Amino acid sequence: EDQVTQSPEALRLQEGESSSLNCSYTVSGLRGLFWYRQDPGKGPEFLFTLYSAGEEKEKERLKATLTKKESFLHITAPKPEDSATYLCAVQAENYGQNFVFGPGTRLSVLP
Amino acid sequence: NAGVTQTPKFQVLKTGQSMTLQCAQDMNHEYMSWYRQDPGMGLRLIHYSVGAGITDQGEVPNGYNVSRSTTEDFPLRLLSAAPSQTSVYFCASRPRDRRNYGYTFGSGTRLTVV
Repeated sequence: EDQVTQSPEALRLQEGESSSLNCSYTVSGLRGLFWYRQDPGKGPEFLFTLYSAGEEKEKERLKATLTKKESFLHITAPKPEDSATYLCAVQAENYGQNFVFGPGTRLSVLP
Repeated sequence: NAGVTQTPKFQVLKTGQSMTLQCAQDMNHEYMSWYRQDPGMGLRLIHYSVGAGITDQGEVPNGYNVSRSTTEDFPLRLLSAAPSQTSVYFCASRPRDRRNYGYTFGSGTRLTVV
C-alpha cells in the first residue's frame, strides 16, 4: 500500500539548534516530492520540489534532500519564526496530478 | 493577484443541512482539488478536476459533490451535513505541465457540524 509518513510528530528546538525532519514514502514511480509549511489557521505554503535521489534544494535556513525512500528537511540555526507544521507530499505514477500528503511534523522553536 | 480564494472562512451547520463551499482562483490553473484536514490524519483528497467540465473522486468523496463549469471556480457541495464532516477544508490549484509547481492552497474553511 502506498504510504507517506513523517517523523517526528512534534519537535521542540531551542533557537539556533539545528535538526532534521524526515519524510518516508512507499510509492511506485515517484514523480515528485513536495515540502510545504503550514502556519496555524492558514493553508499550506509550497517550499520545495525534489524529483530524483541525490537532489537538494535550499531556501534560507531550510535544505531539503531526497533518497530513494525518504526525504529530509534540514533546519540550520532555526529562529522562532520557523515554528510551523511542515508537510511533505508525493506525486506518483498512479496518482495522476494528485498528491498524497504525510501527517506533518509540528516544529516549535523556542527563543 | 489573489491566488486561491475560499469562502466562507468559518461555518456552523446543523446535521442534515446542505451548503456550498466556494473556491475561486485567478491564476488560470487547470488542476483544482478539494482536501479535508483532520488532526493526525493529514490532508485527504475529496474531489479533483483536471479542467473545466471534468471532475473525479478522490480518497474520501462520500457526502460531497463538485462541479467545474469554469476554469476559475470549483465549488464543493455538502449534500446533507453530518458530524463526521466537521473539518477544515482546503481548495488548491496547480498549473498543468509545470512540474516544478506544487499546489497553491487557499486559506481554508473551518466547518463545524452539530
